[in-house]
Amino acid sequence: GAGVSQTPSNKVTEKGKYVELRCDPISGHTALYWYRQSLGQGPEFLIYFQGTGAADDSGLPNDRFFAVRPEGSVSTLKIQRTERGDSAVYLCASSPGGGSNTEAFFGQGTRLTVV
Amino acid sequence: QKEVEQDPGPLSVPEGAIVSLNCTYSNSAFQYFMWYRQYSRKGPELLMYTYSSGNKEDGRFTAQVDKSSKYISLFIRDSQPSDSATYLCAMKRNSGYALNFGKGTSLLVTP
Repeated sequence: GAGVSQTPSNKVTEKGKYVELRCDPISGHTALYWYRQSLGQGPEFLIYFQGTGAADDSGLPNDRFFAVRPEGSVSTLKIQRTERGDSAVYLCASSPGGGSNTEAFFGQGTRLTVV
Repeated sequence: QKEVEQDPGPLSVPEGAIVSLNCTYSNSAFQYFMWYRQYSRKGPELLMYTYSSGNKEDGRFTAQVDKSSKYISLFIRDSQPSDSATYLCAMKRNSGYALNFGKGTSLLVTP
């Protein structure tokens, strides 16, 4: 596709449930990032993939959060036992390479609401 | 204290005004500096990208980086109502991958 695509756009789930958020990066981009943006805040880094491997997962808040990218393209962010504090917009970004000098392109985000 | 500080505003200006947005930071390891624009319910869109200190101009937008003061700015000339959005500054280390964002400044340009 032309840009980074995230599905679903909106997700409402009950506290304690499991959710999966999907990201389709720009074709050919090897680097993929997940960020979380709470209301009134800037995005906060969660995890970075170079190809299939998670090169940096230091931003994941706890072990309820996990992300995969099995074929080096589509990525899924998985959240177990959701809590109300997980409510936020989850943003995915991709870039052509993993070097520090490459710009990241963001998707429109998935708005997660935990009730 | 967060590594990147940005006044959330809101900032309201009349159409045609020059807008000045800025961020301060505390980590001297930051080498890459970016400005993103984010419309409501959309993802951030990269506007300007600067490495190390100096100025960069692109159309109506000028980005400035002063590493000695740990201060970056974005200037918008001849502001338009379509410029109304949240502007996020972001920075990263030379060897890092993660972007460190400010909170964003909400800008409203009134006709």
